[in-house]
Amino acid sequence: KAGVTQTPRYLIKTRGQQVTLSCSPISGHRSVSWYQQTPGQGLQFLFEYFSETQRNKGNFPGRFSGRQFSNSRSEMNVSTLELGDSALYLCASSLATSGRRDTQYFGPGTRLTVL
Amino acid sequence: DQQVKQNSPSLSVQEGRISILNCDYTNSMFDYFLWYKKYPAEGPTFLISISSIKDKNEDGRFTVFLNKSAKHLSLHIVPSQPGDSAVYFCAASADSNYQLIWGAGTKLIIKP
Repeated sequence: KAGVTQTPRYLIKTRGQQVTLSCSPISGHRSVSWYQQTPGQGLQFLFEYFSETQRNKGNFPGRFSGRQFSNSRSEMNVSTLELGDSALYLCASSLATSGRRDTQYFGPGTRLTVL
Repeated sequence: DQQVKQNSPSLSVQEGRISILNCDYTNSMFDYFLWYKKYPAEGPTFLISISSIKDKNEDGRFTVFLNKSAKHLSLHIVPSQPGDSAVYFCAASADSNYQLIWGAGTKLIIKP
């Protein structure tokens, strides 16, 4: 079974631009969560989507948004990029048959650099 | 306010010896804890978990201990192997929502 895939793997943008990251979950997984990882910080939760609906949201500004499609693929968008948005963005999928206790399976991440 | 803390950014252990990674939490509502391992250029992979109704969970070379009164958990790896060199994250969640709260990670280096 194919794992979680994320595209692109690397991205360089300039301040003020916007960016869209894509995540394809493991086949059959209905929940997709997004995280931001910066050096010295743990994974910061952005949001979780389940069956095309945002089920939970972290403490990030409205510049960060996401969506999920009917095939469970998810996209994350960041508008008006700031230097501090440079980070590794990780996507994780889970079956979500029993809620949050399900194991999350992570993709390799997208490394975003904002210049 | 960091609710999950891993106070050691890095740890170096001799191959074959025991590795002990520590994690402290402040939120008494946390009732489920997980450890993930992360290699460079890869996403984290699930290692082991423990529910607050237990104080120990074992899976092969990996054992997680939970001390609820001290709000402390630890991951023991015995014996340590070179392939264990990675960053280890501790994460916790409460029954009230789906969100995992993560520690900053500890980089484990296994010396030959």
